[in-house]
Amino acid sequence: DAGVIQSPRHEVTEMGQEVTLRCKPISGHDYLFWYRQTMMRGLELLIYFNNNVPIDDSGMPEDRFSAKMPNASFSTLKIQPSEPRDSAVYFCASSAESRTPQYFGPGTRLTVL
Amino acid sequence: SQKIEQNSEALNIQEGKTATLTCNYTNYSPAYLQWYRQDPGRGPVFLLLIRENEKEKRKERLKVTFDTTLKQSLFHITASQPADSATYLCALENSGYALNFGKGTSLLVTP
Repeated sequence: DAGVIQSPRHEVTEMGQEVTLRCKPISGHDYLFWYRQTMMRGLELLIYFNNNVPIDDSGMPEDRFSAKMPNASFSTLKIQPSEPRDSAVYFCASSAESRTPQYFGPGTRLTVL
Repeated sequence: SQKIEQNSEALNIQEGKTATLTCNYTNYSPAYLQWYRQDPGRGPVFLLLIRENEKEKRKERLKVTFDTTLKQSLFHITASQPADSATYLCALENSGYALNFGKGTSLLVTP
């Protein structure tokens, strides 16, 4: 298996622009997680899905953030409009079941100027 | 509030020695605890999972202990090697079955 795939790997954009991050989980995994990592705050859970349904989005910082999972093999995290404080590395992870190891993608490094 | 605390200072040890990393937590009643390794520019990689009824778990040179009374987990790497240099994260299940991660401890193993 190719593992969790994320795109793009790097994104540089200007404040106010829309940003869309993409994730393909490992085939057969029922859970998908979106995290954000910064030096100050560490790795923070933003939202997670079970069988394509959002279960907990309490970590989504503002209404500017939205996430979708239209099918079992694809998810997006959208920021609109983006702000400089959104600059971070965004990780997607998937797991087969609850309470099992999570497998992380390589991350998307987002820079908002 | 819930907290997961790991040593923020980097741990520097000599090759061949045992590295011991600490994870303390408050206001959690975890059914299990996980340890991950993260290399610069990469996503975390799962290492070990230990359940609340397990006191100790081993995998090759790695050993994890889990003391729910002390609310602490210790992560040991025996016969450490320079290739073990990385940041190590502990993670606990929150109420919704997702994971909350500590900020990690950086380990540097020198030859």
